[in-house]
Parts: sequence; structure tokens; C-alpha cells
Amino acid sequence: GDSVTQMEGPVTLSEEAFLTINCTYTATGYPSLFWYVQYPGEGLQLLLKATKADDKGSNKGFEATYRKETTSFHLEKGSVQVSDSAVYFCALKEGSARQLTFGSGTQLTVLP
Amino acid sequence: DGGITQSPKYLFRKEGQNVTLSCEQNLNHDAMYWYRQDPGQGLRLIYYSQIVNDFQKGDIAEGYSVSREKKESFPLTVTSAQKNPTAFYLCASSGRGGRADTQYFGPGTRLTVL
Repeated sequence: GDSVTQMEGPVTLSEEAFLTINCTYTATGYPSLFWYVQYPGEGLQLLLKATKADDKGSNKGFEATYRKETTSFHLEKGSVQVSDSAVYFCALKEGSARQLTFGSGTQLTVLP
Repeated sequence: DGGITQSPKYLFRKEGQNVTLSCEQNLNHDAMYWYRQDPGQGLRLIYYSQIVNDFQKGDIAEGYSVSREKKESFPLTVTSAQKNPTAFYLCASSGRGGRADTQYFGPGTRLTVL
């Protein structure tokens, strides 16, 4: 079956540091890929997405590129802020299927 | 503003009681979903519905029940058969399907069994 593997957290960075959160996937078909962010006590918000190979999703300074050859969708940001502290989830959706498959999440803490 | 609302935000239940969690959306989405989130874990799908009066079990449906009588509403009942119901419950909805279709989430309900 489909699965998503994220780098284990927690990740702690200083403000303005470079962020990478690794995400790799296993899928039987050709999935769409998503990053969601969850702030404490809240639901998930869509951060960015990509639907085909070599697509780059971007939002709020975050970027991720759909790499089919390495089955990866790593999240990056050049300069993190304290307000970026949250849990980040990588997810995939097979083709036209409705369901999302989530990774276990990565807790990010940014210190001033 | 369009969005998804869940109520209540916090819910306490005694063992042996059934409780119902509310989820309403005004996004005109066809599909709705219920997920369970446990500490330090990803989301697991409980039930989903693609259309009114139809729903399918997800990965962890045992001990839960749902209904979809209206497009806007998808309540979840946590029954006494659910052995470990304490968790954070998230409702989501999505549109017409397809590769670019995105799920949008509500703010969640935290259920605690006393």
C-alpha cells in the first residue's frame, strides 16, 4: 500500500536558519503530493502541493519539488521565523482517489 | 467566509457513553472526511463520504459511526465500542476530485474519556 515517511523530529533551529524536512513516499500509482502545517491546538492548513513530476509547490517562502526519480518531496525554507514553529505533515493522494495518506509529522521549533 | 466548523472544541465523555461530534462545511464540497490524530502520530482515516447518503469505512472505522443526510453536515458518533477514544478528531472536505483536489480541514475536537 501507499506510505509516506518523514524525517523524525523534533527539529530545533535558530531564527533565519535554513530548513529542510525530508519526505519520501511509496505509491502504486502516480500520486499528488502535499505539505500541511498544524499550529498548536488547531486543524491542518494546506501549505503547498504538486501534482506532477518536477512541479515545484511554493507558499510563504516554503518550497518543495516533486522528484519522481527519488520518490521525494522535501520541504525547504531559506530563512525560518519563530512564527514557523508548528508540526509539518507530508501527504500523498493516489491519482483521482479521495483519500490522503499522511506521514507521522515533524515538529519544528524556531528559537529567537 | 467559507470554511469548516467543528463543535465542540473540547469534549469530555464518561466510559460507556456515546458522543457525537459535529462537522459543518459551507464550501459546497461533495466529499467529507473524519480523521483521528494521536500524539506524535499522523492522521488516520475513520470514515469518508463522497456524496449525500453514502459513506465508506476508512482504516480505523471500528467503534465509530457516521451519517450524511445533508451535503453540509457529516457528524461522527464515537460509540462505547471504541476502546481508546481519547484523541484529537479532525473533519475535512474536498471538491470534485482529480489530481489537484485538496482537502481542507476544520479546527478539530479534542475528546477526552474520563
